[in-house]
Amino acid sequence: QKEVEQDPGPLSVPEGAIVSLNCTYSNSAFQYFMWYRQYSRKGPELLMYTYSSGNKEDGRFTAQVDKSSKYISLFIRDSQPSDSATYLCAMGGSGNTPLVFGKGTRLSVIA
Amino acid sequence: GAVVSQHPSRVICKSGTSVKIECRSLDFQATTMFWYRQFPKQSLMLMATSNEGSKATYEQGVEKDKFLINHASLTLSTLTVTSAHPEDSSFYICSAGQGQAQHFGDGTRLSIL
Repeated sequence: QKEVEQDPGPLSVPEGAIVSLNCTYSNSAFQYFMWYRQYSRKGPELLMYTYSSGNKEDGRFTAQVDKSSKYISLFIRDSQPSDSATYLCAMGGSGNTPLVFGKGTRLSVIA
Repeated sequence: GAVVSQHPSRVICKSGTSVKIECRSLDFQATTMFWYRQFPKQSLMLMATSNEGSKATYEQGVEKDKFLINHASLTLSTLTVTSAHPEDSSFYICSAGQGQAQHFGDGTRLSIL
C-alpha cells in the first residue's frame, strides 16, 4: 500500500459545482496536511495547510482532516473555470523532512 | 509572502552540456530546500534534500555525480545537471521549507537536444 493514495481523475464538473477531492494515507505519524494547486507548466502553489482533525475554511476552499480514518478532503465551492488545475495533497511528520505527495487529481471546471 | 524564485524557467541545450538551475527563497530563510523532477502528467518525484552548509541527501536511484546540489546560503540552492543527455529532459522544481510547509518555485523546463 502506498503511503498516500489520491485518485488521479480526471474530474470534470460544471461551473458553480461543489468539488470534493480526497486522499487517504497509511502512516499515522503524519501530522501536517496540505493541499497544493498546480497549473500546467507551473510549480505547485500552497492552498491550505492544517495540522489537526477538523475543518479549515479559506474563502471558497475548505480542508477537512480525519486522522482517525486517515482521510483528508478539499472542498471547492462555487467552482470556477480558473480552478481548473491539478490538485495535490501532501503530508508530513515533523521538522524539515520531505513531504509525501499524492499523485494529484486533474480537475476541469467547464463554463 | 513565502516566495521562491527559480531560474532559468526554460533551457534548451545540446547533449553534453552542463546546466545550472538556481532556487532562491526571496522573503524567508530556508535551511532545507528540496529538488523534484516531474514528468508530464505525473506527480512530483523527490530527487534530493538540500541542507544549508552540508551535503545533500539523495533519493535512491538518483546519481549524485550527475545531479550536483549546492546549498551555500540560507536563501540559495543550486542544482547542476552535469553532461546532460536527452533522457535528462524534464521539468525540475525546487521548494524551500518554511516550518512544516514547502513553497515551490515555478520550475525549470529542461530540453536536451
